[in-house]
Amino acid sequence: GAVVSQHPSWVICKSGTSVKIECRSLDFQATTMFWYRQFPKQSLMLMATSNEGSKATYEQGVEKDKFLINHASLTLSTLTVTSAHPEDSSFYICSARRLAGDSYEQYFGPGTRLTVT
Amino acid sequence: GQNIDQPTEMTATEGAIVQINCTYQTSGFNGLFWYQQHAGEAPTFLSYNVLDGLEEKGRFSSFLSRSKGYSYLLLKELQMKDSASYLCAAMDSNYQLIWGAGTKLIIKP
Repeated sequence: GAVVSQHPSWVICKSGTSVKIECRSLDFQATTMFWYRQFPKQSLMLMATSNEGSKATYEQGVEKDKFLINHASLTLSTLTVTSAHPEDSSFYICSARRLAGDSYEQYFGPGTRLTVT
Repeated sequence: GQNIDQPTEMTATEGAIVQINCTYQTSGFNGLFWYQQHAGEAPTFLSYNVLDGLEEKGRFSSFLSRSKGYSYLLLKELQMKDSASYLCAAMDSNYQLIWGAGTKLIIKP
């Protein structure tokens, strides 16, 4: 159990366009979902934390108007990169934490590789 | 401030044992996680420690000392597939994970 999916797994878009990434917990309900960004050879950088039905909490330096997060249900969160630019090219990873938490483990999705040309 | 320190890179030989250390400083503490991440893939969970001591899980073991703010991941009988980055993450009082930069482990035949 505890499977998290992401869609798409990779996407190439033109500068100035918007891209939506979906994160789903397939076999459990997630109280909280997290969005991370990872540049090559660097560690995970938390972008925002979202709880179902409420506004996401963004980390310092992350533009909330550029990275729109919607957590519409206990199994789905979306990240929309608006007006994407080449510097937004990165590996975006979501994770989900169970509703009935035990160890507060985060289950990671497989990631989405975004390339902005 | 909150901080996680772990070595940037380590090299070990196939079949040997390697210990990856991690020290942490967080506002409150709710446990220490180890994740494995292969290049181009998302992290996968390895272990969680919240009490002092050693937790063994097959070839992998994880140790925690809360008083010292220290943990290590021990990998035995190393295999080539263990070549990956190993991420240490401490959970603070807000149940937020504070991530280390990761240790790249290189396994040589």
